[in-house]
Amino acid sequence: DAGITQSPRYKITETGRQVTLMCHQTWSHSYMFWYRQDLGHGLRLIYYSAAADITDKGEVPDGYVVSRSKTENFPLTLESATRSQTSVYFCASSGSGGAVGSYNEQFFGPGTRLTVL
Amino acid sequence: AQSVAQPEDQVNVAEGNPLTVKCTYSVSGNPYLFWYVQYPNRGLQFLLKYITGDNLVKGSYGFEAEFNKSQTSFHLKKPSALVSDSALYFCAVRDWGGGATNKLIFGTGTLLAVQP
Repeated sequence: DAGITQSPRYKITETGRQVTLMCHQTWSHSYMFWYRQDLGHGLRLIYYSAAADITDKGEVPDGYVVSRSKTENFPLTLESATRSQTSVYFCASSGSGGAVGSYNEQFFGPGTRLTVL
Repeated sequence: AQSVAQPEDQVNVAEGNPLTVKCTYSVSGNPYLFWYVQYPNRGLQFLLKYITGDNLVKGSYGFEAEFNKSQTSFHLKKPSALVSDSALYFCAVRDWGGGATNKLIFGTGTLLAVQP
């Protein structure tokens, strides 16, 4: 089915391990985003990408790495997981259209619930 | 600095009554405003947006929002609440920092609880 998918949906790992969260979208959207959702903080942007091979930091990038070799995929890697990275992670995508007077809303995946022990 | 504030962590309303979920904003450019809804164990779903034009914006599931420039507010409303409207609601504003990046700044969310 078309849309945006994330895998795995649930992940338990240990402190210090490397973890990669996958995100795939079938709309050929230019923009992709990674957020984390924590109680009391709402959604905070970790990294975003305007196109393949173009990525940039968001509000809370420390401890995370992203890549985007293909338009449809935007994996997020925790290089050495810490307990503070226990969270729900959401991937989102949107089409281009940043000109004044237009904007394409973001579409969200179902999320990955990550627990770091 | 650009920001969005949702002053209420939770809003309780009886089914059939009107509901309002509040949002205020602060932006450096034109205010592009959004409401999203999140049902349990799901991702966020787009409800509606204000870019320009009429101050009253209509969206999905019977929701609407009123843009008020003088009060820098974008409250979400519905004339008659349903139990199925119970969910977490997020207000968001376009982040104009860094150019045309399509980034959004989200509020902390308001939990809407509709009692039968």
